Amino acid sequence: GQSLEQPSEVTAVEGAIVQINCTYQTSGFYGLSWYQQHDGGAPTFLSYNALDGLEETGRFSSFLSRSDSYGYLLLQELQMKDSASYFCAVLGNKFYFGSGTKLNVKP
Amino acid sequence: DVKVTQSSRYLVKRTGEKVFLECVQDMDHENMFWYRQDPGLGLRLIYFSYDVKMKEKGDIPEGYSVSREKKERFSLILESASTNQTSMYLCASSALPSSTYEQYFGPGTRLTVT
Repeated sequence: GQSLEQPSEVTAVEGAIVQINCTYQTSGFYGLSWYQQHDGGAPTFLSYNALDGLEETGRFSSFLSRSDSYGYLLLQELQMKDSASYFCAVLGNKFYFGSGTKLNVKP
Repeated sequence: DVKVTQSSRYLVKRTGEKVFLECVQDMDHENMFWYRQDPGLGLRLIYFSYDVKMKEKGDIPEGYSVSREKKERFSLILESASTNQTSMYLCASSALPSSTYEQYFGPGTRLTVT
């Protein structure tokens, strides 16, 4: 079967760095995506990794290791507005989303 | 600016009713998706469509059907609503081909079945 594992909740302080991990087991694998969702809002795309390594987009970076079936989202210089849920999603035979990590940023 | 719209933000229906959720995208995207989102379960794929009149089952298609008569519109149908279908329903679209497979989501429809 398919499974994506990510922590349910993470708390960090403003200005800090936080890493949200995602391990997956899916039918087929083309790439790993990350989405952000604020309370009451729609998910919005953050990044996509098809190859091993680190992709950087501003304060956010995403990493993939295909051999370990593992990826992470790294958020630097945390801001209060980064408080949201973060979902990893695998593109395999279909799209599979994790259950989400709620990030709480404290002042 | 890309846009995915859903017909209702909130909907209350009775058990046994037939329910239609409509989704429209203005980006000429080939792919369209229907998900339901429940606390602690993330987004679960109900159905997706990669072309007009084409549809594929997702992980939880039971109790649902879909219709895609036009490229921009993808409808989710609950043939006979049940209380366990109370949920947030999210529609999304994506282009094909795509280097990132980015999905654009609508605002969601919170459906309550009583």
